[in-house]
Amino acid sequence: ILNVEQSPQSLHVQEGDSTNFTCSFPSSNFYALHWYRWETAKSPEALFVMTLNGDEKKKGRISATLNTKEGYSYLYIKGSQPEDSATYLCAFSSLSGGGADGLTFGKGTHLIIQP
Amino acid sequence: DGGITQSPKYLFRKEGQNVTLSCEQNLNHDAMYWYRQDPGQGLRLIYYSQIVNDFQKGDIAEGYSVSREKKESFPLTVTSAQKNPTAFYLCASTQGGLGGYTFGSGTRLTVV
Repeated sequence: ILNVEQSPQSLHVQEGDSTNFTCSFPSSNFYALHWYRWETAKSPEALFVMTLNGDEKKKGRISATLNTKEGYSYLYIKGSQPEDSATYLCAFSSLSGGGADGLTFGKGTHLIIQP
Repeated sequence: DGGITQSPKYLFRKEGQNVTLSCEQNLNHDAMYWYRQDPGQGLRLIYYSQIVNDFQKGDIAEGYSVSREKKESFPLTVTSAQKNPTAFYLCASTQGGLGGYTFGSGTRLTVV
């Protein structure tokens, strides 16, 4: 079974501050790395799907980087707002499955933005 | 709007009874998935289907069964053989390749 680790497990950040958290994943058999935001009582929402080493993606105040050689990805949130409070999940997709044999998820980073 | 519908939101069953969770999508996605979430754990894959009339076991398939008779529908049956069925169940779909997954809002199953 693949191992996808996220850290920290939870994070309290003051409104307006910037923050980041980590996802580590196997560096072999890599196809893609997904990031999702999961707000309480809602469905997980796709943020990024990243495939290339060195890839950087941005969506508003949220950005992510990818290092497939060493097996890690960082998610950054700039100028945190209360609406950023959510659990952020990363998930690994294997090359052997071609992106369609399911994702292996980390346990998530639970982010709380304090006004 | 296209999406995934899971029903019901909450489900209570007595121990020893089979129960079926519904998952319907109108996204025209080929692949569909069932995940389970337990406290302190990541989402774990139960079963998936890449095409109609075909499905594969995920990491924790024991005690579960599925069918995929239509592209839009992927119901999950939690059987009495599942030792710890109380959990939150999430259905997802994707077109595959490098597309993101779309998730339903989940069903919380409690077995008493």
